[in-house]
Amino acid sequence: DAGVTQSPTHLIKTRGQQVTLRCSPKSGHDTVSWYQQALGQGPQFIFQYYEEEERQRGNFPDRFSGHQFPNYSSELNVNALLLGDSALYLCASSLVGITMNTEAFFGQGTRLTVV
Amino acid sequence: AQTVTQSQPEMSVQEAETVTLSCTYDTSESDYYLFWYKQPPSRQMILVIRQEAYKQQNATENRFSVNFQKAAKSFSLKISDSQLGDAAMYFCAYRSGTGTASKLTFGTGTRLQVTL
Repeated sequence: DAGVTQSPTHLIKTRGQQVTLRCSPKSGHDTVSWYQQALGQGPQFIFQYYEEEERQRGNFPDRFSGHQFPNYSSELNVNALLLGDSALYLCASSLVGITMNTEAFFGQGTRLTVV
Repeated sequence: AQTVTQSQPEMSVQEAETVTLSCTYDTSESDYYLFWYKQPPSRQMILVIRQEAYKQQNATENRFSVNFQKAAKSFSLKISDSQLGDAAMYFCAYRSGTGTASKLTFGTGTRLQVTL
């Protein structure tokens, strides 16, 4: 059973560029959440997708956007990259609607470096 | 808004000994979940243990156990018989709501070193 997979694993971009990160959830999961983890910090919630809609959003600017596809996979897009966007981006999947007791499974993340 | 605080940036323990990592949180909700995640150098967050707020009994998973003090809003992790493979960053996390409101709020982490 494949867990949560993210691509690419590493990425280097220039300031002002745009980037797309991809996530495939664990088999059977229908909800994808994205987190940004700056160096030496805990992950910060960016947003969550369920039924192809953004359901909840953290304190991130509109430069951060996303999408969920019918197969539950998701993309995170960041426009007009800033040096401060350099971080590890984590994707987590879970199953909605059964009980509160659904744990989130994380991928290995995408390390984004903006130069 | 909920906050999670980990006041120990780094901890060190000798192999086979016991160590306790601290976590406090702030919330006005009565029903929520608390988690400890481990993040090794491979970067993947791995769930260590979970505690439901409505359960008075402290959760236990093999060598890992928690001390959940709901009134004090404290949630510490005890690792017994520490092993070299336990060395990692440990994050305390809070989750409220159901379904689509299930975002996680993390603390800043504690780096655990395990020495011989």
